[in-house]
Amino acid sequence: DTEVTQTPKHLVMGMTNKKSLKCEQHMGHRAMYWYKQKAKKPPELMFVYSYEKLSINESVPSRFSPECPNSSLLNLHLHALQPEDSALYLCASSPPRGGSMDTQYFGPGTRLTVL
Amino acid sequence: QKEVEQNSGPLSVPEGAIASLNCTYSDRGSQSFFWYRQYSGKSPELIMSIYSNGDKEDGRFTAQLNKASQYVSLLIRDSQPSDSATYLCALGGGATNKLIFGTGTLLAVQP
Repeated sequence: DTEVTQTPKHLVMGMTNKKSLKCEQHMGHRAMYWYKQKAKKPPELMFVYSYEKLSINESVPSRFSPECPNSSLLNLHLHALQPEDSALYLCASSPPRGGSMDTQYFGPGTRLTVL
Repeated sequence: QKEVEQNSGPLSVPEGAIASLNCTYSDRGSQSFFWYRQYSGKSPELIMSIYSNGDKEDGRFTAQLNKASQYVSLLIRDSQPSDSATYLCALGGGATNKLIFGTGTLLAVQP
């Protein structure tokens, strides 16, 4: 089973709202990722958590705030977003392999629209 | 900076034909190579992973890796209209397996 779940599937929010995206996996994977994907573009990495510690932040604006409460859960807190932040937000996870991490498996994504 | 190049397409093939998707990369130190399929509006789905030179087959899909020439390809035999999607090539490696994606190739299988 390689299932990563994400909620909600769709989210519409105003620029002054605060909302959160949730990602969950129960496969024992030890790395979890947030990506942003715009139409007709490849996924763009935002954050990586490895063994529940933030290991990569790709210079993402502070209006995006990740959180990893435990090894199965990953949240992305959103505040004061801009319309250009509208995109498909993807979560992925990967199991350990040797001294690094292996294949990434993606969740179904959250389609975010900022009005 | 790692770079991954793919022809954006569309690559149009008739049903039942072999579709050949290609990807070249610049970083000789790359260790892991992946092909993802992405239908419009959906998330990427892993098709193949390959780590060693040569061919790896899984059903109708064959991944080919040539590290000396720095290319990786995906062959889809007996192409079906349901194979119509964007195919993303990705390179990984390192402690977090950070993926570097190509821009994707749009495949259209004509019935």
